[in-house]
Amino acid sequence: DIQMTQSPSSLSASVGDRVTITCRASQGISNSLAWYQQKPGKAPKLLLYATSRLESGVPSRFSGSGFGTDYTLTISSLQPEDFATYYCQQYSKTPLTFGGGTKVEIK
Amino acid sequence: EVHLVESGGGLVQPGGSLRLSCAASGFTFSSYEMNWVRQAPGKGLEWVSYISSSATTIYYADSVKGRFTISRDNAKNSLFLQMNSLRAEDTAVYYCARGPTNGWFYFDYWGQGTLVTGSS
Repeated sequence: DIQMTQSPSSLSASVGDRVTITCRASQGISNSLAWYQQKPGKAPKLLLYATSRLESGVPSRFSGSGFGTDYTLTISSLQPEDFATYYCQQYSKTPLTFGGGTKVEIK
Repeated sequence: EVHLVESGGGLVQPGGSLRLSCAASGFTFSSYEMNWVRQAPGKGLEWVSYISSSATTIYYADSVKGRFTISRDNAKNSLFLQMNSLRAEDTAVYYCARGPTNGWFYFDYWGQGTLVTGSS
């Protein structure tokens, strides 16, 4: 199975900050990576797929990059509605696997 | 607008069975691959199972293989998860999640989830 390691597990940031979350796969996943945002008590929401493709309706302050085993989600200017938990997911091979999550909290 | 509504969750004793349903609307259900993803209380996301649009291809996580069965009824726009031999560690919110039209295995829409609690 492909293990997905996210870091950090949590971070504190202020509105307007640039935030970066990383995801490392235990083997190459050929850009088959998606990012989700989840708010408490709600279902996850797709943000990006294929590493860097923005899902329709997602603000452009969200971006993704990476290749091989290392991937990054960047929020260019954190907004109040962005405080949530973020998950990466590889879909290169089954079983489909998620990172452990990164909780973004208000500083 | 895409809607996915799960039902069927509840309290079940270890070793028991439960059948989850997901009612889909707002899109042509028969054209989409579907999945179940679960989340234990306070924990991360775990993919459970996948079914292709025509139900010809099915995958399971090792943690549920042999105990859970995914199925669908395209005429009724419904997805199902039959859960047998339930364990305490199956306690989670179960989400149905749609696959995109490009054939890749991520999830573009999710339901709100149904809680399954395995407890004696």
